Amino acid sequence: KAGVTQTPRYLIKTRGQQVTLSCSPISGHRSVSWYQQTPGQGLQFLFEYFSETQRNKGNFPGRFSGRQFSNSRSEMNVSTLELGDSALYLCASSPGTGFWGQETQYFGPGTRLLVL
Amino acid sequence: KNEVEQSPQNLTAQEGEFITINCSYSVGISALHWLQQHPGGGIVSLFMLSSGKKKHGRLIATINIQEKHSSLHITASHPRDSAVYICAVRGGGGADGLTFGKGTHLIIQP
Repeated sequence: KAGVTQTPRYLIKTRGQQVTLSCSPISGHRSVSWYQQTPGQGLQFLFEYFSETQRNKGNFPGRFSGRQFSNSRSEMNVSTLELGDSALYLCASSPGTGFWGQETQYFGPGTRLLVL
Repeated sequence: KNEVEQSPQNLTAQEGEFITINCSYSVGISALHWLQQHPGGGIVSLFMLSSGKKKHGRLIATINIQEKHSSLHITASHPRDSAVYICAVRGGGGADGLTFGKGTHLIIQP
């Protein structure tokens, strides 16, 4: 099976712009989570989706949003970009068939966003 | 909110040594994950634990739920084990997303 794919892999934006990142989970996986990784804060949880519903949301401002489609693919959007949004954005998928919160997560390669 | 502490933050060892990385958390959890991240960013899930002990090749992970503590052991360490090892926990009942430790930077010298 193909792994988790994320597009684009690299992105450069300027302050004030918005950006959309895409994640395609492993075939058959229904749960997708998004994470932000920065040198200062490390890895932080953004959102979790299951069957097109947001199940959990991390402590991020409303500029960060996401959605999941019926084919389990997911997108996240950041509006009004700030310099501090520069980060590696990772998505991970899991089957969604086991106990909630007790499944191995399979990570994508990430999208590296630079905000100038 | 769960607090996740890892130790040590940095570890340099010689090839062949037995390695231990520790993780402590503050609130009850539904699962604990050990992750490996190589330079370049890719993250691989090594173990997902809710109790007891798991072994995969030269890697062993244990968790003590009562003491809120987990350890990751690497036996017969090799330079290719050099990476950042990250502990992450999931709240009880699956509530909340993963909370991550700051990671342990491991370097294995030949």
